[in-house]
Amino acid sequence: AQSVAQPEDQVNVAEGNPLTVKCTYSVSGNPYLFWYVQYPNRGLQFLLKYITGDNLVKGSYGFEAEFNKSQTSFHLKKPSALVSDSALYFCAVRLDSNYQLIWGGGTKLSIK
Amino acid sequence: DVKVTQSSRYLVKRTGEKVFLECVQDMDHENMFWYRQDPGLGLRLIYFSYDVKMKEKGDIPEGYSVSREKKERFSLILESASTNQTSMYLCASSLSASGSSSYNSPLHFGNGTRLTVT
Repeated sequence: AQSVAQPEDQVNVAEGNPLTVKCTYSVSGNPYLFWYVQYPNRGLQFLLKYITGDNLVKGSYGFEAEFNKSQTSFHLKKPSALVSDSALYFCAVRLDSNYQLIWGGGTKLSIK
Repeated sequence: DVKVTQSSRYLVKRTGEKVFLECVQDMDHENMFWYRQDPGLGLRLIYFSYDVKMKEKGDIPEGYSVSREKKERFSLILESASTNQTSMYLCASSLSASGSSSYNSPLHFGNGTRLTVT
């Protein structure tokens, strides 16, 4: 079965420290990978995507993500966390020729 | 900026009522989606539409129907609301460009409707 896993329900980071939110996937075919963020009482906002090319993708608000094909991972990173980064983060995968997204369960990021 | 507007932020309905959730997008997107979001379950796709009058079932269509009479509007209908349909409902849209690039298009979400069925 095709799936996306975010192994950590919650990640706690001190402000100013680097942060990583993990995402691994198990799909057949070429994946298109996405990260979204959800602030309290809001819908999801697109952060970044990997389609092809450079494995390091830069996105909004200083976030970046690294695609690792051998480890089937797409971890979200930021060099220096801000309190305002506190939110719920979702990883998602879309397959070739398919509009549907496969979603991870979400990771709550708390910056203090 | 793309704007996806959901008509209600909070809604309280009684069991058995017919409920309409409305969603409008202003960017001429072909694709529109309805998700529900529940703690611990993430996002689950209810229905999506890739064109006017077209609809496709998602992962959890039971108890729901949809209507897309105009390109900018996608309605979710709960035929007879039940307490297990208490949830956050999210509408989204995306561009359908030609070829494979359509699958690269990110989703644009509304702010959600929190529905409580009592």
